[in-house]
Amino acid sequence: GAGVSQSPSNKVTEKGKDVELRCDPISGHTALYWYRQSLGQGLEFLIYFQGNSAPDKSGLPSDRFSAERTGGSVSTLTIQRTQQEDSAVYLCASSLGQVANSPLHFGNGTRLTVT
Amino acid sequence: GENVEQHPSTLSVQEGDSAVIKCTYSDSASNYFPWYKQELGKRPQLIIDIRSNVGEKKDQRIAVTLNKTAKHFSLHITETQPEDSAVYFCAASETSYDKVIFGPGTSLSVIP
Repeated sequence: GAGVSQSPSNKVTEKGKDVELRCDPISGHTALYWYRQSLGQGLEFLIYFQGNSAPDKSGLPSDRFSAERTGGSVSTLTIQRTQQEDSAVYLCASSLGQVANSPLHFGNGTRLTVT
Repeated sequence: GENVEQHPSTLSVQEGDSAVIKCTYSDSASNYFPWYKQELGKRPQLIIDIRSNVGEKKDQRIAVTLNKTAKHFSLHITETQPEDSAVYFCAASETSYDKVIFGPGTSLSVIP
């Protein structure tokens, strides 16, 4: 079946503009995660959802970052007033949720470049 | 919150040798420890995981060990092959469906 889908795959934006990144999880996956990966770096946790609720938003770098999930499916990550340090690959992952040992399935990511 | 450290950051081995990557975690409530492999330009994929009630788990050339008392867990790859070259991430969470925190990654190069 279809995997985790992210769009756009690439986004170039000017400093100060807002951007919206979209994630379509695998059908039936209740848990959804956002990570940020800077060039050659690790996976920085941003936020995760159980259904439509976000139990932990502690990873969001600043109040310019927000995320929502509606209908227990699609999620959007919004970055307002983008800065150059926001440039990175934003990875979304989903899992079955309330099932032990359910792995994270990652999307291909959105490569964001802020000029 | 949970903090996961990983060593070494880079590792180079000859084909056929073994590779070991070590991780430590800080939150004693963590009970689930997956390992992900990320090949160049690709998405991370789960290769093996271990739960806190198991000390060791093996899958062909890959094994993981867990020492919950010391909050250490390790990945062992035997008989390495060039296709094992990738970045490996360890991770920890309370359960497989809670917040999953990753280590900084180890870049493994297997030299033919």
